[in-house]
Amino acid sequence: ETGVTQSPTHLIKTRGQQVTLRCSSQSGHNTVSWYQQALGQGPQFIFQYYREEENGRGNFPPRFSGLQFPNYSSELNVNALELDDSALYLCASSAGQGAANEKLFFGSGTQLSVL
Amino acid sequence: DQQVKQNSPSLSVQEGRISILNCDYTNSMFDYFLWYKKYPAEGPTFLISISSIKDKNEDGRFTVFLNKSAKHLSLHIVPSQPGDSAVYFCAAVDLGSSNTGKLIFGQGTTLQVKP
Repeated sequence: ETGVTQSPTHLIKTRGQQVTLRCSSQSGHNTVSWYQQALGQGPQFIFQYYREEENGRGNFPPRFSGLQFPNYSSELNVNALELDDSALYLCASSAGQGAANEKLFFGSGTQLSVL
Repeated sequence: DQQVKQNSPSLSVQEGRISILNCDYTNSMFDYFLWYKKYPAEGPTFLISISSIKDKNEDGRFTVFLNKSAKHLSLHIVPSQPGDSAVYFCAAVDLGSSNTGKLIFGQGTTLQVKP
């Protein structure tokens, strides 16, 4: 059974650029959630995708967008990068929509640095 | 507005002793709580959960206690082992977003278990 994999592991961008982060869900999982973890903070919910549709969104601006593909892999896109976007981005997959009854399986994250 | 708070950034205990990690929350709509453990360079992994209809849940060395009136939960690890050294996150789910995958995390507590 393959776990959640994210790529790349590290990324350096400059302010104003755009970035795409990728996530492959655990086998059999049809739901993916993205979280942002700033230094010294807990993960913050960005959004969730269920069967290729956005199923919930946290308090993030529209320049954060996502996609989920038919094979349930996912992308997180961030436009017009700001310095405060520097963080660890975590992808989590689950076999259903609910966070409570379907425990999330997290990837190791992508560390994004915006200079 | 931090709805889930872990006020102790770090905790150090001796191997074999009890570790107690605390978490406070402000939103009375939270109905399910989870603890995740995170090692460096890895994603968080699910540890234990508790529903708001219970006041205790036990799984091996790990026990979570919930005090709804105080809006407080705690994770007890007995006996603590050096391999338990990690960052522990408390997370909550509220009734309104239980189908969106939205977990609200605390800031985390770094536990160090000394041999």
